[in-house]
Amino acid sequence: AQKVTQAQTEISVVEKEDVTLDCVYETRDTTYYLFWYKQPPSGELVFLIRRNSFDEQNEISGRYSWNFQKSTSSFNFTITASQVVDSAVYFCALSFNAGGTSYGKLTFGQGTILTVHP
Amino acid sequence: DTEVTQTPKHLVMGMTNKKSLKCEQHMGHRAMYWYKQKAKKPPELMFVYSYEKLSINESVPSRFSPECPNSSLLNLHLHALQPEDSALYLCASSQAGTYYGYTFGSGTRLTVV
Repeated sequence: AQKVTQAQTEISVVEKEDVTLDCVYETRDTTYYLFWYKQPPSGELVFLIRRNSFDEQNEISGRYSWNFQKSTSSFNFTITASQVVDSAVYFCALSFNAGGTSYGKLTFGQGTILTVHP
Repeated sequence: DTEVTQTPKHLVMGMTNKKSLKCEQHMGHRAMYWYKQKAKKPPELMFVYSYEKLSINESVPSRFSPECPNSSLLNLHLHALQPEDSALYLCASSQAGTYYGYTFGSGTRLTVV
């Protein structure tokens, strides 16, 4: 069975602090995709990053960086020098081929509520 | 056009009402999805349509009735809902044959009174 665990339910930091959101996943598939989404209070899911199971390169995009380690089944997300606008719920998710080849199934972690105080 | 458009954005309905949620995309995606998200919870998959055919029903109560009239449109018909069905309903689409390129709509926030 596919499972995504985000150990931190809520994180509270002060602006300019660095913060890391943890994500651990379980899957028996050898080919899968991992995602991070941001959900601000308005509700829409904002896509941040996608990683496939064969690409363990870390990635940096501005203040955001991601660390993918297959050996520990983890896909952690770090925000450097956090800002108030980073306050949101962050979801880690796992996608796999759900049957045949025509569609996937996206499983979300429980989410981490990040609050950045000025 | 790289968007999934959901209408309406907000909906308040009584328990005896019948209403429909609409989702539209023009990206040529042949897989479309309905998710339900309760407050402070992750999105949960309800239905998957692949090539206009229902492929997954995650044991959703029959008061929710999905429909995919064509490759661009996905509806969710609602009838005799309960207050606990109040949630954010998200539509998504993806290209057939892939399971990595999901595009989500901004959702319909449903309140059942």
